Amino acid sequence: DTAVSQTPKYLVTQMGNDKSIKCEQNLGHDTMYWYKQDSKKFLKIMFSYNNKELIINETVPNRFSPKSPDKAHLNLHINSLELGDSAVYFCASSQDSGRPYGYTFGSGTRLTVV
Amino acid sequence: AQKVTQAQTEISVVEKEDVTLDCVYETRDTTYYLFWYKQPPSGELVFLIRRNSFDEQNEISGRYSWNFQKSTSSFNFTITASQVVDSAVYFCALSGAPSNTGKLIFGQGTTLQVKP
Repeated sequence: DTAVSQTPKYLVTQMGNDKSIKCEQNLGHDTMYWYKQDSKKFLKIMFSYNNKELIINETVPNRFSPKSPDKAHLNLHINSLELGDSAVYFCASSQDSGRPYGYTFGSGTRLTVV
Repeated sequence: AQKVTQAQTEISVVEKEDVTLDCVYETRDTTYYLFWYKQPPSGELVFLIRRNSFDEQNEISGRYSWNFQKSTSSFNFTITASQVVDSAVYFCALSGAPSNTGKLIFGQGTTLQVKP
């Protein structure tokens, strides 16, 4: 069983489209995250949810909207996609937000905007 | 401000050589956690180690070893007798507690190429 699973693994779409990436964890963790890895491999946090509550919202365009229907799921919806959104997006989870134990990453979603 | 610096962008070694990847961090938190991750060409992030700020013991796991020195704010990673399968991008990361609310701050990564 995959601990943190993301779908889809690859996503190719045109500029201006709206797309979603789904993430699910079966570890029973309270906290989930979205990270973005740019073309230079730099990894940066975007959002974090703890028990469905948003606790981190880094400087991310409003076109990005996370949604957490329950603590096992954290989806990322992106409106009006731009070329600069092309990146690898990683979902992750940890036991709680206070102490980053059990930090586990999904396998990533490679988004290509054309 | 919290920061992680991996000054080595790329390292190339020949198989069986030992190699050390440097990591220097900055934080004002008294409690913090340091991590190393491996990202092979397949792209996933593989967890290698987590160390908390109160545990300065060095750690060895097979060919891998880590040297944590609070005095120099460094958490260096050594691979002994490197192998081609060690070729990957390696990331050092920091999480302060509780101020960071769990987020990891990553260094820029070091690309290690091990040649046969």
